[in-house]
Amino acid sequence: DTEVTQTPKHLVMGMTNKKSLKCEQHMGHRAMYWYKQKAKKPPELMFVYSYEKLSINESVPSRFSPECPNSSLLNLHLHALQPEDSALYLCASSQEAGLAGGANTGELFFGEGSRLTVL
Amino acid sequence: AQTVTQSQPEMSVQEAETVTLSCTYDTSESDYYLFWYKQPPSRQMILVIRQEAYKQQNATENRFSVNFQKAAKSFSLKISDSQLGDAAMYFCAYKGSNYKLTFGKGTLLTVNP
Repeated sequence: DTEVTQTPKHLVMGMTNKKSLKCEQHMGHRAMYWYKQKAKKPPELMFVYSYEKLSINESVPSRFSPECPNSSLLNLHLHALQPEDSALYLCASSQEAGLAGGANTGELFFGEGSRLTVL
Repeated sequence: AQTVTQSQPEMSVQEAETVTLSCTYDTSESDYYLFWYKQPPSRQMILVIRQEAYKQQNATENRFSVNFQKAAKSFSLKISDSQLGDAAMYFCAYKGSNYKLTFGKGTLLTVNP
């Protein structure tokens, strides 16, 4: 199984709503990532979890709250979002967060993304 | 900080022809990985090819190959025998010691029948 599964695929929410994006992988990867991608732009890193601990927060506003309940799951809790937060949110995983060693290829595996629209 | 530059916002190629996408990067590290990712209109990002900086031999994967010039900090992707399914946004990416995968701005490849 080389899949990263994201739900929901599409989400529409108002600025006062609370919602969550979910990500799951069963590849035994110890690093998981959230990226934000606007149309025709490269993905922008938001958060990195390594061994279930938050390792990188790229100065993301507090209305985005990540959570890593276990090594297979990654959530992104959304609250009081703004219309400019509308984007494709990509989850990814890799064997380790750092550079490759041994069988670690360094590759990130991406999910299909969750398309978020904030009204 | 590492930067990745893709100087070609858009490229086009005729089916069955060869096309080369350019990528340069800036880093002070000696150990790192370079990647080309493909993102078709259906949006899932998939890995095309990977190059370890310590390896002198250029990586190849079927119709895809790279020209890795470490001293020049250049990492171009060659697609041979282009197919309609190769049409996508291609991102060059760098991964060093700081856990981050840094992407270039992307090159949109069109394949003409």
